[in-house]
Amino acid sequence: GQQLNQSPQSMFIQEGEDVSMNCTSSSIFNTWLWYKQDPGEGPVLLIALYKAGELTSNGRLTAQFGITRKDSFLNISASIPSDVGIYFCAGQLKPSGTYKYIFGTGTRLKVLA
Amino acid sequence: SQTIHQWPATLVQPVGSPLSLECTVEGTSNPNLYWYRQAAGRGLQLLFYSVGIGQISSEVPQNLSASRPQDRQFILSSKKLLLSDSGFYLCAWNSVGTDYGYTFGSGTRLTVV
Repeated sequence: GQQLNQSPQSMFIQEGEDVSMNCTSSSIFNTWLWYKQDPGEGPVLLIALYKAGELTSNGRLTAQFGITRKDSFLNISASIPSDVGIYFCAGQLKPSGTYKYIFGTGTRLKVLA
Repeated sequence: SQTIHQWPATLVQPVGSPLSLECTVEGTSNPNLYWYRQAAGRGLQLLFYSVGIGQISSEVPQNLSASRPQDRQFILSSKKLLLSDSGFYLCAWNSVGTDYGYTFGSGTRLTVV
């Protein structure tokens, strides 16, 4: 099935560093979501974005809905060891009854203490 | 509040054996239900979704089937497992007509040996 392109695929960072990751598509999306998956668990929603240009924060996390509506960015400031996990973006092409979302390929984050 | 339950958490099954994974949602009615599979270190692949009792849509041809015998129950099955069926299976739900993303269950780790 269709998936969004996420980059980087994986990254090792030092504790305290800021992290940036992005998600791109050739299609225009109406909604962008960011999820985090801890090892052995299901993904948990971090941030939802609904308007082009929208910038939303959740604690140390900040995400933006790209102006072109074809991309989104997630930033994590001052990373800590519990930020380890896989981060997924998800987008919705257009409103539909099921609101099916397309997921990105994931960015695996590892934080070195 | 709404909760989603998946079981079992882990399962080791021999090739050729049957499979039944169950997912139930509490605290809501008429949810949209989804089954995803995640191969090791990979992204999320949508397998099936359901918008109502007995209504199943398949996203990819495969060795698996899904059923929704009750409003808040979603079952993933196979008559004969293949090695390639190994993976992390996630159930998810959302409410009809809402754009708040999915809520995922905690997943089932299936190993076919």
